[in-house]
Amino acid sequence: KQEVTQIPAALSVPEGENLVLNCSFTDSAIYNLQWFRQDPGKGLTSLLLIQSSQREQTSGRLNASLDKSSGRSTLYIAASQPGDSATYLCAVKFNQAGTALIFGKGTTLSVSS
Amino acid sequence: NAGVTQTPKFRILKIGQSMTLQCTQDMNHNYMYWYRQDPGMGLKLIYYSVGAGITDKGEVPNGYNVSRSTTEDFPLRLELAAPSQTSVYFCASSYLAGVYEQFFGPGTRLTVL
Repeated sequence: KQEVTQIPAALSVPEGENLVLNCSFTDSAIYNLQWFRQDPGKGLTSLLLIQSSQREQTSGRLNASLDKSSGRSTLYIAASQPGDSATYLCAVKFNQAGTALIFGKGTTLSVSS
Repeated sequence: NAGVTQTPKFRILKIGQSMTLQCTQDMNHNYMYWYRQDPGMGLKLIYYSVGAGITDKGEVPNGYNVSRSTTEDFPLRLELAAPSQTSVYFCASSYLAGVYEQFFGPGTRLTVL
């Protein structure tokens, strides 16, 4: 069964720190991987989409990497701010899972000022 | 473009009642999806559609029905609401399957009492 795991489940850092969120997946045969942000009680905001042929994607202070062979992706947030506090979800589209995105349970980030 | 819109935002149902969650997209996407998100869990696929008139089950379809009469609309029907269906429901769409990004609506928060 294809699964996506995110560790840690929660993370607290002081403002200004650089941080890394981790995502691992069980099958290297994937179409793509997406990172989402979810604020409490809100919907999903797509942050970055990495296709299986790509190694990384960048948007502003965010950088996501993909290593299919090891089944890992990381989301790097530079110079964290209190406004970055949210839950970050990793979702993978596996080749064998049909059309569904398979989601991890998320990492809840708290950035203190 | 409004993207993916969902109504209502919130709803409280009594056990045994029925309701329809509405989803509309204006991006001319072929594929549409319904996911549910339970507290502390990743999103799980309920149903999806590859085009008007074609739907298929996802991972957790029991207790739900869908139809797709137009490209734009993909309503989700709950026939006999149960407490286990208390969740947040997200509709999503994509141009095609495979490498194409999924775009999410803002969600419907449903409570069944």
